[in-house]
Amino acid sequence: GESVGLHLPTLSVQEGDNSIINCAYSNSASDYFIWYKQESGKGPQFIIDIRSNMDKRQGQRVTVLLNKTVKHLSLQIAATQPGDSAVYFCAEPYNYGQNFVFGPGTRLSVLP
Amino acid sequence: IAGITQAPTSQILAAGRRMTLRCTQDMRHNAMYWYRQDLGLGLRLIHYSNTAGTTGKGEVPDGYSVSRANTDDFPLTLASAVPSQTSVYFCASSETMNTEAFFGQGTRLTVV
Repeated sequence: GESVGLHLPTLSVQEGDNSIINCAYSNSASDYFIWYKQESGKGPQFIIDIRSNMDKRQGQRVTVLLNKTVKHLSLQIAATQPGDSAVYFCAEPYNYGQNFVFGPGTRLSVLP
Repeated sequence: IAGITQAPTSQILAAGRRMTLRCTQDMRHNAMYWYRQDLGLGLRLIHYSNTAGTTGKGEVPDGYSVSRANTDDFPLTLASAVPSQTSVYFCASSETMNTEAFFGQGTRLTVV
């Protein structure tokens, strides 16, 4: 069955440095991926998405890279700020696109 | 402010009691979802609805039921609560299936 997982459960970075959060997926037929950010006590919030016909997509300070050959996603955050501290989830379609399956999440801690 | 509203924000419930978690969205989204979030297990889908009048089972549907009488409301009912249903519950909606979801603030439920 499909599965989405993360290589690192926790990540600590210095303020101002770049952060890279990784995600592996198992369903080679998945054609759409989403990254969510969840701050403490809040619901997940959409950050950025990417479709399988793209290798890279950029937003404001965030970039998502998709490597379909090895079924790997990464989320890059430039100049990490204290407000970036949160748990980050990747998600891929499940059940023929009826819904999404989420990875367990990576906690990003930004050090002063 | 448009978005998703969940109620209550938290609840302590005696085992065996019936409980309905409420969810309302004002974005006229077709699809709605209920997830539970447990430490170390990430977000798991309980039930979903593609459009008003239809519902489907997710990954962990046992012990839960939903209804979708109209576009805006998607209540989740625990017919007879058990301690293993202690969790944080998130309602979400998306314009259509397979697009980014918007999440509510969550309901923290403790079954004792």
